[in-house]
Amino acid sequence: QSALTQPASVSGSPGQSITISCTGTSSDVGGYNYVSWYQHYPGKAPKLMIYDVTNRPSGVSNRFSGSKSGNTASLTISGLQAEDEADYYCSSYTSGSPFVFGTGTKVTVL
Amino acid sequence: EVQLVESGGGLIQPGGSLRLSCVASGFTVSSNYMTWVRQAPGKGLEWVSVIYRGGNTQDADSVKGRFTISRDNSKNTLYLQMNSLRAEDTAVYYCARGGSAWSVDYWGQGTLVTVSS
Repeated sequence: QSALTQPASVSGSPGQSITISCTGTSSDVGGYNYVSWYQHYPGKAPKLMIYDVTNRPSGVSNRFSGSKSGNTASLTISGLQAEDEADYYCSSYTSGSPFVFGTGTKVTVL
Repeated sequence: EVQLVESGGGLIQPGGSLRLSCVASGFTVSSNYMTWVRQAPGKGLEWVSVIYRGGNTQDADSVKGRFTISRDNSKNTLYLQMNSLRAEDTAVYYCARGGSAWSVDYWGQGTLVTVSS
């Protein structure tokens, strides 16, 4: 199972909105509404930010939102803040295994 | 409060074996599916193994036949037995709890496994 494709890096200024894409195939992203997004600070435990494409766990800021169109899912961070600077990974259920992760995106706040 | 604490990582020679442990608190490991995810140095996250509530397991092709996931309900602990280790297995290994459908809602801090001679 190949990793889902994410841009290596995305940057934005404080207060701006950014969007991270996550591209797969009809066997994963496009075939199921089971896309999740994780925030990961190096050396720390990853944190679930979005599940089932659009749902936010309790306690996650509403500045984070998820969507999907065809084989591509997206994570949007609005009102970008310095604390949002981290690595972000998408994941999806697949026809062959319960999880396939994305290649990861480093978000930089300028 | 849900907590996951991994242990058992270290330096091991190629071909060697290691067993990782993950002690859970705040929930019972048999009530959720549990999974191991790893991150090689400078690389992204990679799913490794999962054990479902009923005890069935599933492994990534990269570790199939070499790694075995298991749990001890009496100790509320998840394990990953790793045999025939290779240099490419070098990574931080995270223990994680399955959440809604196919997501992972809690992760441990990770334990580093280094396979090198």
